[in-house]
Amino acid sequence: GAGVSQSPSNKVTEKGKDVELRCDPISGHTALYWYRQSLGQGLEFLIYFQGNSAPDKSGLPSDRFSAERTGGSVSTLTIQRTQQEDSAVYLCASSLLGLAVQETQYFGPGTRLLVL
Amino acid sequence: GENVEQHPSTLSVQEGDSAVIKCTYSDSASNYFPWYKQELGKRPQLIIDIRSNVGEKKDQRIAVTLNKTAKHFSLHITETQPEDSAVYFCAASLRNTGFQKLVFGTGTRLLVSP
Repeated sequence: GAGVSQSPSNKVTEKGKDVELRCDPISGHTALYWYRQSLGQGLEFLIYFQGNSAPDKSGLPSDRFSAERTGGSVSTLTIQRTQQEDSAVYLCASSLLGLAVQETQYFGPGTRLLVL
Repeated sequence: GENVEQHPSTLSVQEGDSAVIKCTYSDSASNYFPWYKQELGKRPQLIIDIRSNVGEKKDQRIAVTLNKTAKHFSLHITETQPEDSAVYFCAASLRNTGFQKLVFGTGTRLLVSP
């Protein structure tokens, strides 16, 4: 079946502009996660959704970052007033049940964001 | 908070050799440890995982070992092939967060030369 998809695959923007990144999880997956991958670094947790609720937003770097999920499916990560340090690959993952279940997180291909 | 350290950052081996990547974690309550492989420009993909009630798990040429006392776990790849070349990430799942919150290591770039 279809895996996790993300759009756009690449985004170049100017400092100060807002950007929206989209994630389509695997159909039926309850949990959705956003991560950020900076060059040469590991994956940094940003936010977790269980259904449409976000019980853990602790990884969002600043109040310029926000995310929502609608219909228990598509999620959008919004970065307002982008800064050069926001340049990174933003990865989305989904898993079937979420909560504290030990299960595989399936990743999307990522959106490569470059802020000039 | 939880910290996961991964070594080495780069690893070069000859085809057919074995490769070992090691990770240590700080939260003694961590109970789930996945390994992901990320080829250049592609998404991370799970290759193997281990739970805290198991000491070792194998899947063909790949094995993972877990030492809960020492709080470290390792990925072993035998008979390496050029297609094993990629960046490998370990992760540990935090407990008491209400969900499977993964903390990732910084990755190991494995290069297998023919």
